[in-house]
Amino acid sequence: EVQLVESGGVVVQPGGSLRLSCAASGFTFDDYTMHWVRQAPGKGLEWVSLISWDGGSTYYADSVKGRFTISRDNSKNSLYLQMNSLRTEDTALYYCAKAAAGTGFYFDYWGQGTLVTVSS
Amino acid sequence: AIRMTQSPSSFSASTGDRVTITCRASQGISSYLAWYQQKPGKAPKLLIYAASTLQSGVPSRFSGSGSGTDFTLTISCLQSEDFATYYCQQYYSYPVTFGPGTKVDIK
Repeated sequence: EVQLVESGGVVVQPGGSLRLSCAASGFTFDDYTMHWVRQAPGKGLEWVSLISWDGGSTYYADSVKGRFTISRDNSKNSLYLQMNSLRTEDTALYYCAKAAAGTGFYFDYWGQGTLVTVSS
Repeated sequence: AIRMTQSPSSFSASTGDRVTITCRASQGISSYLAWYQQKPGKAPKLLIYAASTLQSGVPSRFSGSGSGTDFTLTISCLQSEDFATYYCQQYYSYPVTFGPGTKVDIK
């Protein structure tokens, strides 16, 4: 059974930093592109970032480019999101999502999310 | 970025109804479209990909159609567990983008 478990969400002040983690199990982690997708309270879904199976390629939404860094450790079946220079508009539930096989650009499994609140 | 719109934004329906949700892309995306269902407090669940391919384990009352810019999600006979918010997502180009969602609630 595929499982994705996010952690690391907390309350942080504007300008602060945070690292989110996602522990994956139930599939061959290093075969798949992985993504972060976020959802602000009461709002819709926003794609944040992706990393290729080997970490060699990364992409970011314009809203986080230059502030967030995605990474992975295939030896630990783990995905990370380093978040710097946080803004109030980064407040959201952050989901780790597994790319479907093939294109890798849609998501067949999601974690339950970890809540990041940026507030003074 | 490709902009996705959905209509209606919300509506009420009864168990047993046939319901259709529309998704439109701001430019052609071929069939690179997915549909997700999200229930309150839960993560999204993949229903359909490639515009019309049912994800494994998803009931056959769900179906998708369309290509280019106009797409539909149809639930042939609404069940109680189908009351949720539905999102479309294009994956034709980066950044992948989602529609704003359509909330289906009980009449």
